[in-house]
Amino acid sequence: DTAVSQTPKYLVTQMGNDKSIKCEQNLGHDTMYWYKQDSKKFLKIMFSYNNKELIINETVPNRFSPKSPDKAHLNLHINSLELGDSAVYFCASSPAAGQGRANEQFFGPGTRLTVL
Amino acid sequence: AQSVTQLDSQVPVFEEAPVELRCNYSSSVSVYLFWYVQYPNQGLQLLLKYLSGSTLVKGINGFEAEFNKSQTSFHLRKPSVHISDTAEYFCAVSDRGATNKLIFGTGTLLAVQP
Repeated sequence: DTAVSQTPKYLVTQMGNDKSIKCEQNLGHDTMYWYKQDSKKFLKIMFSYNNKELIINETVPNRFSPKSPDKAHLNLHINSLELGDSAVYFCASSPAAGQGRANEQFFGPGTRLTVL
Repeated sequence: AQSVTQLDSQVPVFEEAPVELRCNYSSSVSVYLFWYVQYPNQGLQLLLKYLSGSTLVKGINGFEAEFNKSQTSFHLRKPSVHISDTAEYFCAVSDRGATNKLIFGTGTLLAVQP
C-alpha cells in the first residue's frame, strides 16, 4: 500500500485555469505538508496542517489554498494559474510534534504541474 | 532562521569509490539535521537524521553522516558507491519547535560512473 499518494501525477493546463492536487496518507499521521520543487530542484515548504489546523503558511500567493477535510487528506487548490507555477509539488506527512519519529517526513511521489 | 548550504551541485564518482557530499548549516538555535535522497522522477526518501546523542549517524544503503557542531556541518559519506546510488541528495534542517518545518539545501547530484 502506498503510504503517501498524490493525484494526478502529471497536470498540464493553460494559464488562468484553476486546478487541484489531492494528497492522501494512510500512515495515521497528524501532520501534512505541501512543498514546491522548482526547475532547479530547489525545495521549499508552502503549507502544513496539524490535525486539520494550519500551522505553517509560508509566503505563498493567495491563489494557492490548501484544504484539509480530515487529517488523512491535504489538497492544494490553485486559482488563476501562472507560468511560474510550473513545478513539481510534493505532499508529505509526519507524526505530530511530541509523538514518536515526529521529525521524519514521508513524501509522496510528486505532481508535475506544467502551465502553458 | 535556518539556512543550508550544499556547495557541490554535482559530484561525479566512479563505482566502488568513496564519496563525501558536503552540507553546512546556519542557525541561531539548536537544530535537527537530515539527509534525503531523490531518485529520478520519485519523491524524497529519508537517508538518515541527527536529533541528538552520537555525532556519527548511520542510515540506509550504507550511508553515514557526522554532525560537527563547531563547523556547523553534516557531511554525508559512503565508503563504496554503486551505480544505483545515482540520485539527488538533499541536506535539510529543522528547528526544535512544534512545526517540523524543513529547510532544504539546493541539492547535490551524485553521478556514479562505471
